[in-house]
Amino acid sequence: NAGVIQTPRHKVTGKGQEATLWCEPISGHSAVFWYRQTIVQGLEFLTYFRNQAPIDDSGMPKERFSAQMPNQSHSTLKIQSTQPQDSAVYLCASSLVNSGNTLYFGEGSRLIVV
Amino acid sequence: QQQVRQSPQSLTVWEGETAILNCSYEDSTFDYFPWYRLFPGESPALLIAIRPVSNKKEDGRFTIFFNKREKKLSLHITDSQPGDSATYFCAASDGGSNAKLTFGKGTKLSVKS
Repeated sequence: NAGVIQTPRHKVTGKGQEATLWCEPISGHSAVFWYRQTIVQGLEFLTYFRNQAPIDDSGMPKERFSAQMPNQSHSTLKIQSTQPQDSAVYLCASSLVNSGNTLYFGEGSRLIVV
Repeated sequence: QQQVRQSPQSLTVWEGETAILNCSYEDSTFDYFPWYRLFPGESPALLIAIRPVSNKKEDGRFTIFFNKREKKLSLHITDSQPGDSATYFCAASDGGSNAKLTFGKGTKLSVKS
């Protein structure tokens, strides 16, 4: 049974360019989360979908970050006009919906903005 | 405003000692507190979790102690092993339909032999 799949695993992009990260949640999981991991901030919540609908995007930097879930089998996180401070590991996780259910994380997409 | 705080930022213990990792939170509506463990090069994975109906949860060498009044909890790792070296994240979520987890910044544990 495959876990959460994230692509690409590594991405280097120039300042000002766009980066798109993909996530395939575990089949049957109806909640999908995006987190950003840095040494300084730890695991920062970005956004959350339930049954493909956006529920909470309170962690998303408003101007350059966007996320979508066009179908139950994948979600994308897009960063426009990337900046060096966007460099981080972006983690996608999926779970069953109810509070207290385990989050299963993918291996992450390491983004480096030069 | 950091909703979930962890201390210390890093901790080194000798093999066989007990490691104590601390966590505190702000939001009284939080009712589920998992700890996730992150090994280098891997993804975070659930280690152990507690709900406020209990003040203690034990799983092998790992024990959570929970103090609802003070909004504090701690993870105790007894008989620490070098294989326990990892970053440990305390997290919290509230009840209802919001399953979002708010994580602390993590404690990096090193166990020396």
